[in-house]
Amino acid sequence: QVQLVQSGAEVKKPGASVKVSCKASGYTFTSYYMHWVRQAPGQGLEWMGIINPSGGSTSYAQKFQGRVTMTRDTSTSTVYMELSSLRSEDTAVYYCAREFFICSSTSCPPEFDPWGQGTLVTVSS
Amino acid sequence: QSALTQPASVSGSPGQSITISCTGTSSDVGSYNLVSWYQQHPGKAPKLMIYEVSKRPSGVSNRFSGSKSGNTASLTISGLQAEDEADYYCCSYAGSSTLVVFGGGTKLTVL
Repeated sequence: QVQLVQSGAEVKKPGASVKVSCKASGYTFTSYYMHWVRQAPGQGLEWMGIINPSGGSTSYAQKFQGRVTMTRDTSTSTVYMELSSLRSEDTAVYYCAREFFICSSTSCPPEFDPWGQGTLVTVSS
Repeated sequence: QSALTQPASVSGSPGQSITISCTGTSSDVGSYNLVSWYQQHPGKAPKLMIYEVSKRPSGVSNRFSGSKSGNTASLTISGLQAEDEADYYCCSYAGSSTLVVFGGGTKLTVL
């Protein structure tokens, strides 16, 4: 079955970087775009960006431009999200989520299924 | 402040129907039939319930339905059941620059 398995929880100090992984299985990894969405404690969902696992092209939400980098490793069917210059407000659960359908550009309809289990990133001094 | 506006909470009794609204602008909800809805139980990842305004993925109960009028999309849940108690989020395509916007979420309580 289609499955996304994320890396474990992280604790980081302000100013540091964090890299979260999302390993895909059960489908052709390069056929479906992948999104990253985060959720601060008790808050709503926030879209961060999208990556094309085939060519590696990305689009990021303006809020995260310059601080986020999404990459992929096709040999292990894994996508990564790295967030730098961490601050306390970045404390959140970070989710990877696959596009529901195959699409042809980063302007994919926002239809996310399945989702990873989430990775809690805590930023604290 | 979220790009799409949802009521913070709604409630209903078992068997009743409820509707959750999601108000955007002519740059997102109003311009594209690309609204999706997600159900999230506490401590769990969100689940896709509706896509392209009114389509249901396989396995989602037909008690869930979606619609759109102008800049406002809606999720209706009929025949409320206890397991429907969760947070619900709307999401819309917002053009090639912004791409994706979410609503702030609505907590559904089944009384």
